Amino acid sequence: DTAVSQTPKYLVTQMGNDKSIKCEQNLGHDTMYWYKQDSKKFLKIMFSYNNKELIINETVPNRFSPKSPDKAHLNLHINSLELGDSAVYFCASSPLAGVNEQFFGPGTRLTVL
Amino acid sequence: AQSVTQPDIHITVSEGASLELRCNYSYGATPYLFWYVQSPGQGLQLLLKYFSGDTLVQGIKGFEAEFKRSQSSFNLRKPSVHWSDAAEYFCAVGLREAGNMLTFGGGTRLMVKP
Repeated sequence: DTAVSQTPKYLVTQMGNDKSIKCEQNLGHDTMYWYKQDSKKFLKIMFSYNNKELIINETVPNRFSPKSPDKAHLNLHINSLELGDSAVYFCASSPLAGVNEQFFGPGTRLTVL
Repeated sequence: AQSVTQPDIHITVSEGASLELRCNYSYGATPYLFWYVQSPGQGLQLLLKYFSGDTLVQGIKGFEAEFKRSQSSFNLRKPSVHWSDAAEYFCAVGLREAGNMLTFGGGTRLMVKP
């Protein structure tokens, strides 16, 4: 069974559209994250969400909004897509207590045309 | 603010040769340290982690890393590289007070010559 899954794997869309990426984890973890990996492979945290508290990286535009229907899911909704949003987006999860290793999903490659 | 530096963007080694990937961090206290590997088109897999205790940590796939507080380093090593080790390697710092969010280095791409 896949521990952290993301859908879709690839997403191609036009500028200005709104899109969502879904993430699910079956590890029973309390904390989930979204990371963005740019074309130079640089990974940057976007959000941390532990079912009670959302920690937002202040450099993330407010066009990006995480939505968590329950503890096992953290979806990423993006409004008014821009060319610069093209990247690979990774979801991850970890146990709540302290700092723990994070388990990453396979990534979603978003291409904005 | 914390930062992680991986000085080598690309490294090429021959199969069977030893490997050392460098990682330096900047942080006021002892951080939690991780090494992840990313194969082409894949997600990130944890190789090893350091939280406390013995400064030499063993990981999967024959990798090890040594935490050196005096040098603010956490270098990754492997005594004999296999062709399947070719991948992107990321060093990361985890901070409890930042909601356990990881700060990653820029990555080192490892290429293995036959």
